[in-house]
Amino acid sequence: NAGVMQNPRHLVRRRGQEARLRCSPMKGHSHVYWYRQLPEEGLKFMVYLQKENIIDESGMPKERFSAEFPKEGPSILRIQQVVRGDSAAYFCASSPEQGSSGTQYFGPGTRLLVL
Amino acid sequence: RKEVEQDPGPFNVPEGATVAFNCTYSNSASQSFFWYRQDCRKEPKLLMSVYSSGNEDGRFTAQLNRASQYISLLIRDSKLSDSATYLCVVIIYNQGGKLIFGQGTELSVKP
Repeated sequence: NAGVMQNPRHLVRRRGQEARLRCSPMKGHSHVYWYRQLPEEGLKFMVYLQKENIIDESGMPKERFSAEFPKEGPSILRIQQVVRGDSAAYFCASSPEQGSSGTQYFGPGTRLLVL
Repeated sequence: RKEVEQDPGPFNVPEGATVAFNCTYSNSASQSFFWYRQDCRKEPKLLMSVYSSGNEDGRFTAQLNRASQYISLLIRDSKLSDSATYLCVVIIYNQGGKLIFGQGTELSVKP
């Protein structure tokens, strides 16, 4: 059973470009969480999705950021018109169920560098 | 006030030392508690869950004090391979299971 896959592992963008980060959850997992880790900071929750639904986007910046988890295919975190402050590691995690068990399996992350 | 607070360290200890990490959380609706480990800013990995009764896994002991909203992790006989950042994590009741992370405590074990 493959783990959570994220691609690309490293992404370089110039200011103003778009960044698309992909996350394929573990087989059988229908819950996906995205977290961001800024340099020298802890991980911060961004968004929680189930198939075709955004459940909680309270951690998403109000502008330029969007996320989806279509019926088929990976979850996508999209950042439009990137700025230098978007440079960070973006981790996704998947879970077989919502709840308090804390059993979230993390992908290796995408390191975004904005020049 | 941050929802989960940890001493950022770094903690520099010799091999074989016992080291303790502390963590406090501010939301009394916090329901579940964990310690994660993160190596060189790779993906975090679950180290252990934390229960009020305390739990032990080999050299690692975790404790939760709900009244004080305080969580601890004790590492005995530390190894070089224990060098990492230790993340205190909580889940707040009825918030979809999202993990709330502390900023992490860095541990460096020296020979």
